[in-house]
Amino acid sequence: DTGVSQDPRHKITKRGQNVTFRCDPISEHNRLYWYRQTLGQGPEFLTYFQNEAQLEKSRLLSDRFSAERPKGSFSTLEIQRTEQGDSAMYLCASSSFGGRVTGELFFGEGSRLTVL
Amino acid sequence: KNEVEQSPQNLTAQEGEFITINCSYSVGISALHWLQQHPGGGIVSLFMLSSGKKKHGRLIATINIQEKHSSLHITASHPRDSAVYICAVGYYNNNDMRFGAGTRLTVKP
Repeated sequence: DTGVSQDPRHKITKRGQNVTFRCDPISEHNRLYWYRQTLGQGPEFLTYFQNEAQLEKSRLLSDRFSAERPKGSFSTLEIQRTEQGDSAMYLCASSSFGGRVTGELFFGEGSRLTVL
Repeated sequence: KNEVEQSPQNLTAQEGEFITINCSYSVGISALHWLQQHPGGGIVSLFMLSSGKKKHGRLIATINIQEKHSSLHITASHPRDSAVYICAVGYYNNNDMRFGAGTRLTVKP
């Protein structure tokens, strides 16, 4: 397994367009997280999945954002009608969750979005 | 106020110096993570700890649960240690994790 992979690595789009990012987690990990990171800040939580179930969404995630993990493997994050404020690095991470404590997080390289 | 506070925000050191980065959090946690992010790169997990101390090579992480404080130490620092170091906390039945803003470390040769 090569770790967590994200695609595309970079995306430049015009305001109002829709964009979709994909994350392939480590295969045996049941948890998948999406984070957003802007310049000079730590990552901010967006949403997470346990298997195929989306268990929590941050208030940061407006109705223009939607995430899926249809078969409990890869996940997609779609942003509709992009705005310049959506420009950020979108990070995906996966981990194993057993019982009460989440295991070590493994991050992808991120997908950098620039909205013109 | 961020639930996870890191200090310092920026740190410049000479090669060989001993480095300490601090992290404080406000509520009880299940685990604390130290992460490393290189410029333009992804994030790498360095440590996950819930008590005591862990060591990996030149890196040492400690946590004091009572004081809600953790430190990351780098011994004999090297320019390749230059990166942003991020502290993150997870809670029991972890939902979201909370991240500090990061400490930008620059080690000069």
